[in-house]
Amino acid sequence: DAGITQSPRHKVTETGTPVTLRCHQTENHRYMYWYRQDPGHGLRLIHYSYGVKDTDKGEVSDGYSVSRSKTEDFLLTLESATSSQTSVYFCATGSRYEQYFGPGTRLTVT
Amino acid sequence: GENVEQHPSTLSVQEGDSAVIKCTYSDSASNYFPWYKQELGKRPQLIIDIRSNVGEKKDQRIAVTLNKTAKHFSLHITETQPEDSAVYFCAASITGGGADGLTFGKGTHLIIQP
Repeated sequence: DAGITQSPRHKVTETGTPVTLRCHQTENHRYMYWYRQDPGHGLRLIHYSYGVKDTDKGEVSDGYSVSRSKTEDFLLTLESATSSQTSVYFCATGSRYEQYFGPGTRLTVT
Repeated sequence: GENVEQHPSTLSVQEGDSAVIKCTYSDSASNYFPWYKQELGKRPQLIIDIRSNVGEKKDQRIAVTLNKTAKHFSLHITETQPEDSAVYFCAASITGGGADGLTFGKGTHLIIQP
């Protein structure tokens, strides 16, 4: 568990402001992912990365962007936060098959 | 894209009894099927997984079965204990989870009655 950290762990922000969430791993995993978790929807993939500077969109990517300049860091940015983006955000990292999750960030957009 | 359906949404069993959670998937190209356990306020934890070239896999009290023809897979927990109470998620991936992420079911809340 200690190999994947997320920051901040909690954040309250206002509608229209930009927000960046950070995922940091010490596992040297090639693949990294951002998911959001909402009641009744389970976990849904936002964006993923298959290497430094290599990223692609997931199921619910609208309103989000990502960047990965180093193997260990994967950033998720909400360009202009909306109330519909209130959620718990989980980062995950993995190798060919298994994925392991970070502790999550609870984001509230007021 | 892939669609994963999970049933039931809530399952209540007596301590010591068995629990079965079932999932179906839509894309026949999917080849990797993990199960996650999530306790309240915690991160999802990988508890067992199966690849499409295997029909069944066991790890102590938990087992997963896969029927590729019917496109469904199941989680079996035997001799349930209070610490098994949690939300369980199934997932599927076409590329083994590595390249394009997982598609999750909506979860099953497992309640172990004392």
